[in-house]
Order: sequence, then C-alpha cells, then structure tokens
Amino acid sequence: NAGVTQTPKFQVLKTGQSMTLQCAQDMNHEYMSWYRQDPGMGLRLIHYSVGAGITDQGEVPNGYNVSRSTTEDFPLRLLSAAPSQTSVYFCASSLGQGGRGYTFGSGTRLTVV
Amino acid sequence: GQSLEQPSEVTAVEGAIVQINCTYQTSGFYGLSWYQQHDGGAPTFLSYNALDGLEETGRFSSFLSRSDSYGYLLLQELQMKDSASYFCAVGNYGQNFVFGPGTRLSVLP
Repeated sequence: NAGVTQTPKFQVLKTGQSMTLQCAQDMNHEYMSWYRQDPGMGLRLIHYSVGAGITDQGEVPNGYNVSRSTTEDFPLRLLSAAPSQTSVYFCASSLGQGGRGYTFGSGTRLTVV
Repeated sequence: GQSLEQPSEVTAVEGAIVQINCTYQTSGFYGLSWYQQHDGGAPTFLSYNALDGLEETGRFSSFLSRSDSYGYLLLQELQMKDSASYFCAVGNYGQNFVFGPGTRLSVLP
C-alpha cells in the first residue's frame, strides 16, 4: 500500500518553462489537494478536488492548473514557471471531508532559476 | 475567507506538558485538525475535533470550543522526538482545508 506518491522529488526549472507535478493515491480517497510550503511558513492551498471531474481553487491558484480525470490521480501543472514558485509542493488525500486524516505525499522540492 | 493564528514558537523541557493554541475564522466550519511536521518531512495527522470538547490520543490531546473559534493541542510527557512544527487546520463545508502558520516546538533536555 503506497499511500500518496509524488514525482519527481526534486526539480530545477528555468523561468518560463512548464512542467507537471504528479500525484497518485491508492487509497480510493475522494478528496485531494495541492499545497505549497515556503521556508519557515505554513502550507498554502493551491487547488483541491472533491472527486473525479471536480476541482476548485484554493488560496494561491494563480500560475497553476489541475485536473482530476480519475480518483487516483491529481496532477499539478505549472504553466510558465517563475522564481516566486520556488517552493516545496505537497499533495494530500483524504477519505472524509473537513480535513480529518489527510495523508500527505513526501513532497516535491522545486527550484525555478 | 479563512484565517488561523497560532504562536510561532514554544519551548519546553523533556517530560513537561505544553499547550499550543489556535484561533480561527471561517464560515461553514466543519472541523479542526492538528498535524505534525519534522524538518524536511511531510505533515502527519495527529488529531481532529468536529465537536466541542477534548479528544485524547495517547500523549496528545486536542480541544475545541466552536463558540470561541478556539482550539488547542496538548502534548504530555514531552520527548525529544516531539521537537517539530505543529499546524492547526480548519475544514469547512466548502470542502477546502486551510492550515495555520505553524508553531515550532523545541524540546530541551
């Protein structure tokens, strides 16, 4: 049982490049979210999904796109990378609503130069 | 919107008890959660309150007062391994889930 799997673990991008951060869970969780965490800061919600085909914006959605075509996968796309998007990105999933028992992936450390 | 406040740092000695407070503002409140994060690691779930009162899970307890928009995490018999950042987070009926800024706990020998 893998839980929440994020790939890649590390990535360096040049300004203006695009890329997709992958997130997959094998727990049949309906709720999935993407967060970013800057050094010494809390986690800020980028986008979230309450089920396949349903996504919504969080606190800091600009510059990011998501889709949820299956229950298992919730990729995050950076459209045109900027240095301000240098951060650690976490994907999380939960069976229930309200935030109970979110399981987090190990994170993707992204640097934009 | 939603906002949460918690102290930025707390220091305590091994074996002691420490309380980390959290106040929040949100509409459509559903539940208050607590997560632990060690440096370089991912957050891990600790506790959850949807109703007023105390929830106990081993050395950790969490309290919620919905009328005061307030909760706390109580850590007993502190151990060195408890040194980490602790985040409160609120979920609402809009289905999103927002974290507080985090409290860094340092446990001294």
